[in-house]
Amino acid sequence: EAQVTQNPRYLITVTGKKLTVTCSQNMNHEYMSWYRQDPGLGLRQIYYSMNVEVTDKGDVPEGYKVSRKEKRNFPLILESPSPNQTSLYFCASSLWGGETQYFGPGTRLLVL
Amino acid sequence: KNEVEQSPQNLTAQEGEFITINCSYSVGISALHWLQQHPGGGIVSLFMLSSGKKKHGRLIATINIQEKHSSLHITASHPRDSAVYICAVSYNNNDMRFGAGTRLTVKP
Repeated sequence: EAQVTQNPRYLITVTGKKLTVTCSQNMNHEYMSWYRQDPGLGLRQIYYSMNVEVTDKGDVPEGYKVSRKEKRNFPLILESPSPNQTSLYFCASSLWGGETQYFGPGTRLLVL
Repeated sequence: KNEVEQSPQNLTAQEGEFITINCSYSVGISALHWLQQHPGGGIVSLFMLSSGKKKHGRLIATINIQEKHSSLHITASHPRDSAVYICAVSYNNNDMRFGAGTRLTVKP
């Protein structure tokens, strides 16, 4: 089944404790992207990747890192999480940038 | 200022009604997307448009590039259409910007 998976789905952590949210797709898509969704602010793009080893900042990249060492995986890294990173995070992929995106189920993160 | 404006913010309809959600954007784009977010939180892509009109079942999406405007229509609405509908635009096929969403409730 074609899908985008994210792990974990739910995470509670404390300020400053490094964490990684994994994202994987099985559709051989070139483009992958991370978004966060907050009440009143909607969805905002954090980082995107057009291909392996090619990443770029989106609208709100501060406090996040990404890597794209393999086509299928695009992990989101929070080196030192802060409470303002409490949010619902979505990973998405598409064949190419600008094409129809397939979204993961979301990861709900709470930083205390 | 949000680069993508949606209206209305909230919409309540009776089952069977024809529904229109509007989206306008401020600068040239490479594509426009309509997304549906279910009450459980999952997001599904409905349409990707760069020109003209697309239809899928009871859903129709149109875009007017000159006027920088798109509409999503739902014919014969049903309670299962209740969701948040989100307009998004992509610039240079990479950057994505999203509207605030339209919360649709369809009553039986």
